[in-house]
Amino acid sequence: AQSVSQHNHHVILSEAASLELGCNYSYGGTVNLFWYVQYPGQHLQLLLKYFSGDPLVKGIKGFEAEFIKSKFSFNLRKPSVQWSDTAEYFCAVTRPHGGATNKLIFGTGTLLAVQP
Amino acid sequence: KAGVTQTPRYLIKTRGQQVTLSCSPISGHRSVSWYQQTPGQGLQFLFEYFSETQRNKGNFPGRFSGRQFSNSRSEMNVSTLELGDSALYLCASSTGTGTDTQYFGPGTRLTVL
Repeated sequence: AQSVSQHNHHVILSEAASLELGCNYSYGGTVNLFWYVQYPGQHLQLLLKYFSGDPLVKGIKGFEAEFIKSKFSFNLRKPSVQWSDTAEYFCAVTRPHGGATNKLIFGTGTLLAVQP
Repeated sequence: KAGVTQTPRYLIKTRGQQVTLSCSPISGHRSVSWYQQTPGQGLQFLFEYFSETQRNKGNFPGRFSGRQFSNSRSEMNVSTLELGDSALYLCASSTGTGTDTQYFGPGTRLTVL
């Protein structure tokens, strides 16, 4: 079965530190890739997405992610985190073909705590 | 554009009861998907409706059902509630095309006592 792995379950950083959250998926075909963020008390919001083209995608709030097809990875990065980035981050995948267009498969999430 | 809205926001039910949750998608969106979020299982796909038809289904028992109306609004029903059904139920809407992005509502927090 298709799965998404986020190896960092809990990350604690100081403000201005750099962030990289890992995401790997198991499906070998064409995929659409997403990072969503859930701030405390708020609903899931889209950070960025990759469908095709340039494997380095930029999202909101200074986040970016790189799709590396050979490694089945879509890691999220931010050069300098802020206290307001404290949230839970979810990597997710859909398969654009085969009748499962909108079935998002989520990773288990990474809880990021940024200390001021 | 208004975002995805879900009602009610909070629900408390007892075992054996049934519950209906409602979701209004973003205007113009024809696809509505439902997800269950729990601390133990994370975010899991329940089903997707597109143009009033169920297009995809996750691995949940038949007690979980849904429907979509001609205005794209969707309802989700859970019958014979169990304690383990306590969760945040999220609705997401999208256009329903191949290169699609889902936008989530605030969720309905269901507590089963």
